[in-house]
Amino acid sequence: GAGVSQSPSNKVTEKGKDVELRCDPISGHTALYWYRQRLGQGLEFLIYFQGNSAPDKSGLPSDRFSAERTGESVSTLTIQRTQQEDSAVYLCASSPYTSDTQYFGPGTRLTVL
Amino acid sequence: LAKTTQPISMDSYEGQEVNITCSHNNIATNDYITWYQQFPSQGPRFIIQGYKTKVTNEVASLFIPADRKSSTLSLPRVSLSDTAVYYCLVGDKWDAGNMLTFGGGTRLMVKP
Repeated sequence: GAGVSQSPSNKVTEKGKDVELRCDPISGHTALYWYRQRLGQGLEFLIYFQGNSAPDKSGLPSDRFSAERTGESVSTLTIQRTQQEDSAVYLCASSPYTSDTQYFGPGTRLTVL
Repeated sequence: LAKTTQPISMDSYEGQEVNITCSHNNIATNDYITWYQQFPSQGPRFIIQGYKTKVTNEVASLFIPADRKSSTLSLPRVSLSDTAVYYCLVGDKWDAGNMLTFGGGTRLMVKP
């Protein structure tokens, strides 16, 4: 079946602009995760959804970052007033309710000029 | 959440067996140990998971001693295509929000 998809694959924006990143999880997966990965670094957890509620928002780095999820499907990560330090690959993953194994999408590479 | 420590990088040659050890001294009773592999420009992918003793699949083996304070991922006869970053995670597998800390991983470089 189809895996996790993310769009756009690449996004170049100017400092101060808002961006929206989209994640389509695997059908039937109730859990959805967002991570940030800076060049040459490990994964930094941002937020996790179980269904459309977010039990853990602890990783969001500032109030410029927000995320929402519609039911058990699409999620959008929004970054307002982007800064150059927001440049990174943003990875989305999903997992079934009964398993912790995360299935990752290809990521969105965000470049803030 | 249990903290993990693993080497930053390792080098190997094609055909050799590679063992990557992860330390997790404060692992909890309900915690499982999971390893992911990440190739350049891709998201991580699940390799193997275990609770105790030894687990083997078509990709790797996972060795966990009785005290569970460490684990070793073993890759038999590596090839150039095994060059990747390997992440060790520890957490309660029945809690989908519990295994979230990937850390920096171990960067494995396989040379010809």
